Amino acid sequence: DTGVSQNPRHKITKRGQNVTFRCDPISEHNRLYWYRQTLGQGPEFLTYFQNEAQLEKSRLLSDRFSAERPKGSFSTLEIQRTEQGDSAMYLCASSSQRLGQVPNEQFFGPGTRLTVL
Amino acid sequence: RKEVEQDPGPFNVPEGATVAFNCTYSNSASQSFFWYRQDCRKEPKLLMSVYSSGNEDGRFTAQLNRASQYISLLIRDSKLSDSATYLCVVNMVSGAGSYQLTFGKGTKLSVIP
Repeated sequence: DTGVSQNPRHKITKRGQNVTFRCDPISEHNRLYWYRQTLGQGPEFLTYFQNEAQLEKSRLLSDRFSAERPKGSFSTLEIQRTEQGDSAMYLCASSSQRLGQVPNEQFFGPGTRLTVL
Repeated sequence: RKEVEQDPGPFNVPEGATVAFNCTYSNSASQSFFWYRQDCRKEPKLLMSVYSSGNEDGRFTAQLNRASQYISLLIRDSKLSDSATYLCVVNMVSGAGSYQLTFGKGTKLSVIP
């Protein structure tokens, strides 16, 4: 399967615990995005990487959230001290795009559904 | 005005019907437009890009009206398998000044036998 993959698919945790999600993009894609989606809403942009560089973080991304893409391939999203409001679907997407180019199509992984009790 | 606005529906249509969705966007400088489809509890999947000249892919036709800042999606001869939420997606200037894809809340379609 050459699509975007995410692990785990589901995560249930208790409030205050830390969680980490992984995303493996399509191999030739240089851009990787993280989104959050709650029920009845469209995906909301969190952050993105151009290769290994994190170029932008949304104001939705509080200090408890951190993302990395150390070798420009897979990425991890960590949430520290989880809160019930963090419960959502966390989606990863990738694309092939040069700096300065208008955004083109993004391809999504299956998501990680987080439930914070 | 919301950045990307869609009628949430639901649209309940019989098989074989033609259904149209509209979407309006707030940034006149936006340059990329897409329709994504999302099944319940699944990830969004690209349905089609939307070009200035309009484009068609089988039973699906997308149109862009830059002057009025709206995008449409027309589905002809609806199939049961078309039941899903359709997301309108537009690139917008983010808080940091870069262009990012902004998603509408989606329009839910149910095709009824």
